[in-house]
Amino acid sequence: QQQVKQSPQSLIVQKGGISIINCAYENTAFDYFPWYQQFPGKGPALLIAIRPDVSEKKEGRFTISFNKSAKQFSLHIMDSQPGDSATYFCAASLSGSARQLTFGSGTQLTVLP
Amino acid sequence: DAGVTQSPTHLIKTRGQQVTLRCSPKSGHDTVSWYQQALGQGPQFIFQYYEEEERQRGNFPDRFSGHQFPNYSSELNVNALLLGDSALYLCASSFGGAGGYTFGSGTRLTVV
Repeated sequence: QQQVKQSPQSLIVQKGGISIINCAYENTAFDYFPWYQQFPGKGPALLIAIRPDVSEKKEGRFTISFNKSAKQFSLHIMDSQPGDSATYFCAASLSGSARQLTFGSGTQLTVLP
Repeated sequence: DAGVTQSPTHLIKTRGQQVTLRCSPKSGHDTVSWYQQALGQGPQFIFQYYEEEERQRGNFPDRFSGHQFPNYSSELNVNALLLGDSALYLCASSFGGAGGYTFGSGTRLTVV
């Protein structure tokens, strides 16, 4: 099964708050888990990515937490800002040269000023 | 340094027609992947081209075909358009297909 399930579908957070988006996968062969940010009218842009050999990766205000046994991973956005308002997609891929990405269904994040 | 360039940005076609979408990869990238993104959904992998050959294909019918040119640019062709083909078509480039994709802004295709 290649599905990646993402929740919530939408999220509203106050400025300065923490935004948390969750994803679950079924295929244990997945070995690359990126998060993408997409603004209206634009293509997805890579935010941060993790491999299953680590449980957490932090880049600035963005942190990925990875739970291999539960087959879940999440994106935490600390000190959320109105400029973070966008749609966020988790994704996963198998090892190999082609690196086909399987995306979640997306989370529309709104950060209120 | 230009990123991934896609053309046209918007396109309206009639059901049954054929369409060609174009993509120029980011400088230094040699691999092009195409994704279809329906409204409110995540992108779905169509296929990937490397060294002018289709290297991997997603679950899309043969109506979807592509090509990669010696300069690494690529085309996506869709024949016998259906209303359900209406979507944002995204091109993503990478070096060697090893992730680290750069996505273009997409072509919005509307089939009427």
